[in-house]
Amino acid sequence: SQELEQSPQSLIVQEGKNLTINCTSSKTLYGLYWYKQKYGEGLIFLMMLQKGGEEKSHEKITAKLDEKKQQSSLHITASQPSHAGIYLCGADQSAGNMLTFGGGTRLMVKP
Amino acid sequence: GAVVSQHPSWVICKSGTSVKIECRSLDFQATTMFWYRQFPKQSLMLMATSNEGSKATYEQGVEKDKFLINHASLTLSTLTVTSAHPEDSSFYICSARDPRLAGSGELFFGEGSRLTVL
Repeated sequence: SQELEQSPQSLIVQEGKNLTINCTSSKTLYGLYWYKQKYGEGLIFLMMLQKGGEEKSHEKITAKLDEKKQQSSLHITASQPSHAGIYLCGADQSAGNMLTFGGGTRLMVKP
Repeated sequence: GAVVSQHPSWVICKSGTSVKIECRSLDFQATTMFWYRQFPKQSLMLMATSNEGSKATYEQGVEKDKFLINHASLTLSTLTVTSAHPEDSSFYICSARDPRLAGSGELFFGEGSRLTVL
């Protein structure tokens, strides 16, 4: 099965600072999803990447998938307290439509 | 956009009782739904794939007789935790993909259901 490792596991940054979260797969990724979750709540879809080298942005969040499609990074520019939460990367297991999730990165933004 | 709704949002039950959690796709038909479980401070773990009109597919280590899944219609899948015990206390969340949005790749998640077994 697909194994995903996220790093760092937790992150505390000062408001206004940039940050990057990484997601590395042991296998080639057919699709890589980024979600945000506040603990105990549902998931908020951020972005989905499929093509090697693909990059997508939404507001101050940018996600990239490397050419080999085994690593993705999520970059937040000028972080704000509203960015705090748990960020999860999920890998699409070929055509199964089910996702395997990484361990999550807990982000705290200090005002 | 597509919406997946779960009910109840939270439930407290006594040990030994059974609890049913519903997952509904509100504005699309889902032949497949997925059930995840999340323990405190951990990531989501796929429990099973719910298939409309057929048996669910369970992940390794998930007891099918304990976690009964029924996908009786194209808009409803239910997860029943039978003879619940405190170790079953967790956050259960379902997901489904809107076939009309196949190109977007987005997978929609329900709000989750928090189960506490006393």
